[in-house]
Amino acid sequence: EAGVAQSPRYKIIEKRQSVAFWCNPISGHATLYWYQQILGQGPKLLIQFQNNGVVDDSQLPKDRFSAERLKGVDSTLKIQPAKLEDSAVYLCASSYANLNTEAFFGQGTRLTVV
Amino acid sequence: EDQVTQSPEALRLQEGESSSLNCSYTVSGLRGLFWYRQDPGKGPEFLFTLYSAGEEKEKERLKATLTKKESFLHITAPKPEDSATYLCAVQGIREIKAAGNKLTFGGGTRVLVKP
Repeated sequence: EAGVAQSPRYKIIEKRQSVAFWCNPISGHATLYWYQQILGQGPKLLIQFQNNGVVDDSQLPKDRFSAERLKGVDSTLKIQPAKLEDSAVYLCASSYANLNTEAFFGQGTRLTVV
Repeated sequence: EDQVTQSPEALRLQEGESSSLNCSYTVSGLRGLFWYRQDPGKGPEFLFTLYSAGEEKEKERLKATLTKKESFLHITAPKPEDSATYLCAVQGIREIKAAGNKLTFGGGTRVLVKP
């Protein structure tokens, strides 16, 4: 079974530039998450989709971050404009629709804002 | 709001020296508690799910236990390949069922096992 695919693996941008990350979840997984992991910390949820609808985006900085999941499969996360404090690893994860099921994570995209 | 605290932040062990990692949590209603392993430069890898107090799960040298307030990950006779960051996460009960899938993570425990 193919895992969660993310791209790019690494990205370096200057502050105030924009950047986009892509995620392809495990086939059949209705729930998709984007997490932000700052170095030395645990992952923090940014946004959760159930199929193509947003379930939880309470911790998404909506003035600069946006995400979409068209057709309930792939997803993109965008940052515009980027700030220095956005430097982190952005992890995509997916899980089957039912509750109490584990989430499977991709390798992540390491973003460095200079 | 769900909260998870892991201790210690870092742990240095000699090969074969058993130890335990702690995960303390606060949640209005627990759906599940998850343990993940994360290697440098990789995403978290699922290890265990625990659902109710008293439950235990084992995998090779790892054993996870759960009480109403905390979970422990016991590492028995660790090997250098057990070196990683171990993350604990909880799923809490939500009014919107689908939102109950959300994982709230602790800060992790970095484990280094020396040969």
